[in-house]
Amino acid sequence: GQNIDQPTEMTATEGAIVQINCTYQTSGFNGLFWYQQHAGEAPTFLSYNVLDGLEEKGRFSSFLSRSKGYSYLLLKELQMKDSASYLCAVRNDYKLSFGAGTTVTVRA
Amino acid sequence: SAVISQKPSRDICQRGTSLTIQCQVDSQVTMMFWYRQQPGQSLTLIATANQGSEATYESGFVIDKFPISRPNLTFSTLTVSNMSPEDSSIYLCSVEDRGKGAFFGQGTRLTVV
Repeated sequence: GQNIDQPTEMTATEGAIVQINCTYQTSGFNGLFWYQQHAGEAPTFLSYNVLDGLEEKGRFSSFLSRSKGYSYLLLKELQMKDSASYLCAVRNDYKLSFGAGTTVTVRA
Repeated sequence: SAVISQKPSRDICQRGTSLTIQCQVDSQVTMMFWYRQQPGQSLTLIATANQGSEATYESGFVIDKFPISRPNLTFSTLTVSNMSPEDSSIYLCSVEDRGKGAFFGQGTRLTVV
């Protein structure tokens, strides 16, 4: 089975940095993904990690440690438009299992 | 990345009726996936739609309730049958883009009254 945990909510100030943690216990693993979902919209792809280490893409970075079953998404220089839900998803074979999502609220 | 068109974008349906959701992709893909996202919750995989064979359903989902068609490599439909208010959700189709996980259609927001 799959067990994916991430915090429910986080609040941060515009211009700050926020780190969203994700821990997982899965029966198989071949990749971890982060998605952003604004209210009423479909999820959009942010990042993908399959090997240990840090992947950087502009203001967003994602880290993976397979031995610890741990990932984080780092959002830098927060903007108001970054207020959204962030979903951690683990791929096992061809299927994705999603965490419950972390709602990030950015305040001025 | 694939462009996915899903329709209808939203609907309000009477209980006991059925709704068919269509998903069109602008390129040929082997597998298409159907997810459900209930209010305030994350995505749950309903089934994998395979071209040329029956869909593969996840635990808790059955073909009689959620029949799926996959007539070719660019199109799939999901029917929500004999609807009840508990079926009120967002339904999303997606395709796999290797190395980028799933890309999603814009979703169908279903309200059953």
